[in-house]
Amino acid sequence: EAGVTQFPSHSVIEKGQTVTLRCDPISGHDNLYWYRRVMGKEIKFLLHFVKESKQDESGMPNNRFLAERTGGTYSTLKVQPAELEDSGVYFCASSQDRQGLGYTFGSGTRLTVV
Amino acid sequence: AQKITQTQPGMFVQEKEAVTLDCTYDTSDPSYGLFWYKQPSSGEMIFLIYQGSYDQQNATEGRYSLNFQKARKSANLVISASQLGDSAMYFCAMREGPRSNFGNEKLTFGTGTRLTIIP
Repeated sequence: EAGVTQFPSHSVIEKGQTVTLRCDPISGHDNLYWYRRVMGKEIKFLLHFVKESKQDESGMPNNRFLAERTGGTYSTLKVQPAELEDSGVYFCASSQDRQGLGYTFGSGTRLTVV
Repeated sequence: AQKITQTQPGMFVQEKEAVTLDCTYDTSDPSYGLFWYKQPSSGEMIFLIYQGSYDQQNATEGRYSLNFQKARKSANLVISASQLGDSAMYFCAMREGPRSNFGNEKLTFGTGTRLTIIP
């Protein structure tokens, strides 16, 4: 079974540019989560999809961040325009059930805004 | 206030020794779950062990065990007989609410502990 795939693995962009991160969850996993770790700090929840619906987007930092999951398969997280403080590692995770166990995380996308 | 506190930013341990990684948590919810994840240099987050707040016994998974002290709100990870491959970042995380609670699966993480095993 393929794991959670994220790409790109690294992205370096200039302030003001747009970046789109992609996450392919494990096939059949309805739940998809985005998390972010800013350097040296804790990993913070961004949002949770159940299929194509946003179940909880309370962690999204501001309206420069837009997440989509069209068709309930892969998800994209767009940052537009990117700011310096958006730098960090963005993790995606998926799970099949709603019991809070069984998360599978991707390897993350390291975003650097310069 | 931080909900998950990991007070050890870094640890160096001799190979084959046991190591304890500290984690304290803060919640007013009687039902919660505690997780430990390992993040090696390759970047992926690997699930290690889970402890539910109502579990009577401490969780164990191979060389990993969770020293759950509910009254002290601590959930320390113990790795027995450490190996070089244990060198990684370790994150403690908590889910608040019962496991079946609809729409409450998000995790709160600590800042992590970087463990280095010395040969």
